[in-house]
Amino acid sequence: EAGVAQSPRYKIIEKRQSVAFWCNPISGHATLYWYQQILGQGPKLLIQFQNNGVVDDSQLPKDRFSAERLKGVDSTLKIQPAKLEDSAVYLCASSLGHSSGNTIYFGEGSWLTVV
Amino acid sequence: GENVGLHLPTLSVQEGDNSIINCAYSNSASDYFIWYKQESGKGPQFIIDIRSNMDKRQGQRVTVLLNKTVKHLSLQIAATQPGDSAVYFCAEKEIKLIFGQGTELSVKP
Repeated sequence: EAGVAQSPRYKIIEKRQSVAFWCNPISGHATLYWYQQILGQGPKLLIQFQNNGVVDDSQLPKDRFSAERLKGVDSTLKIQPAKLEDSAVYLCASSLGHSSGNTIYFGEGSWLTVV
Repeated sequence: GENVGLHLPTLSVQEGDNSIINCAYSNSASDYFIWYKQESGKGPQFIIDIRSNMDKRQGQRVTVLLNKTVKHLSLQIAATQPGDSAVYFCAEKEIKLIFGQGTELSVKP
C-alpha cells in the first residue's frame, strides 16, 4: 500500500515569496492533516480536513497560510508571503476517519527554509 | 491547557538493554494515545497506540503503559537495537492529535 506522498521534499525561498506544498493521502483516507514541525519540537496541527471540508483550522495563520482539498483527495498548502519563522518541516498525514482509534499516517514531509 | 510533554529530552542505552521512554499528558479527556518514532529526515512513523479503556498494550518488542490516575504514558522497547535510535513522540487525542516535545533515544553498540 502506498503511503502519504508529499512534494517538493525541499524548498528554499526568500522571505516575502510564496510557496506551495502538495499532498496525496493514502487511498481511501477521508481525513487529511497538515502539521508544522519546527526543528527540535513536536508537530503542530495547522489544519484538518474531512473529505473536502475543514474540521479544524484554529492554528492556521490565515493571514498568510491557506489550504484546500477541493475534490476530497489531494491537498495543497500555500504560504504567501513567507516569513523567516515559517522555516520548518510541513508534514501531511491521513487517516481513514477522524475519530479516535483511526491510525494517523505521516508523509516524509516538505522541508522549507526561508532566507 | 494542552500539554503533552516528556520527562527527558535524551536517553542513551546500551544495545540489548531495555529502554523506557516516559510521557506526561494534561488533558484527562484524551481517549487515545499514540507513540511515534521519527528518524532524521523522515516523517513520524506509527509504533503503537492505546485507548483510554486499556492500561497496557503489547506489540513486537514494544509495550505501551497508560496510567490515567497520574496521566502518564510510557513506551518500553525490549532488547534495544541500533535501528531504534530516533526521536520518540507521544501524542494524545481527544478531538485533535497533540504531540509532545520528543525524546531522543541513542543506542550504544
